[in-house]
Amino acid sequence: KAGVTQTPRYLIKTRGQQVTLSCSPISGHRSVSWYQQTPGQGLQFLFEYFSETQRNKGNFPGRFSGRQFSNSRSEMNVSTLELGDSALYLCASSMDGISGANVLTFGAGSRLTVL
Amino acid sequence: KQEVTQIPAALSVPEGENLVLNCSFTDSAIYNLQWFRQDPGKGLTSLLLIQSSQREQTSGRLNASLDKSSGRSTLYIAASQPGDSATYLCAVDGGSEKLVFGKGTKLTVNP
Repeated sequence: KAGVTQTPRYLIKTRGQQVTLSCSPISGHRSVSWYQQTPGQGLQFLFEYFSETQRNKGNFPGRFSGRQFSNSRSEMNVSTLELGDSALYLCASSMDGISGANVLTFGAGSRLTVL
Repeated sequence: KQEVTQIPAALSVPEGENLVLNCSFTDSAIYNLQWFRQDPGKGLTSLLLIQSSQREQTSGRLNASLDKSSGRSTLYIAASQPGDSATYLCAVDGGSEKLVFGKGTKLTVNP
């Protein structure tokens, strides 16, 4: 059973550019969450999607956005990149999004460096 | 607002020692608590999940306990091995698939 797949694994961008990261959840999982991990702030929740709808959003500016497709794959986009956006972006999936009932399975992450 | 704290931030022990990692949280209204392991540059691996109605969970040499009333959880690692070296993260689920993480304990087990 394939795990959560994130692409690309590594990327380098310059300030002002935009980036799109992709996440393919485990087959049958319909909930996808995104987290940002930085040395200073640790892991912070970005947003969660279930059945193509954003259900929850963390405290991030509008430059951070996402979407989910009918096959449950998800993308997140960051526009007008800033140096502080350099981070490991982690995606996690779970089966049916029922609070507390599911173990989240994380992908290996996409490491973004902004120069 | 839920806050999760992990103590200590770093721990170095000789191989074979039993050790305890601590996690505390400020809001006891949680669905569950999870312990994760993260190796350098990698994603998170779930180790143990304790539902709010449970007191502890065990997997091999790992045992995690949960005391909701005091807002505390511990991860006990028995007979530590160099392969256990990693960062251990505690996360609480307050609902809606949103996990609140501690900043982790970096464990080094020396041969």
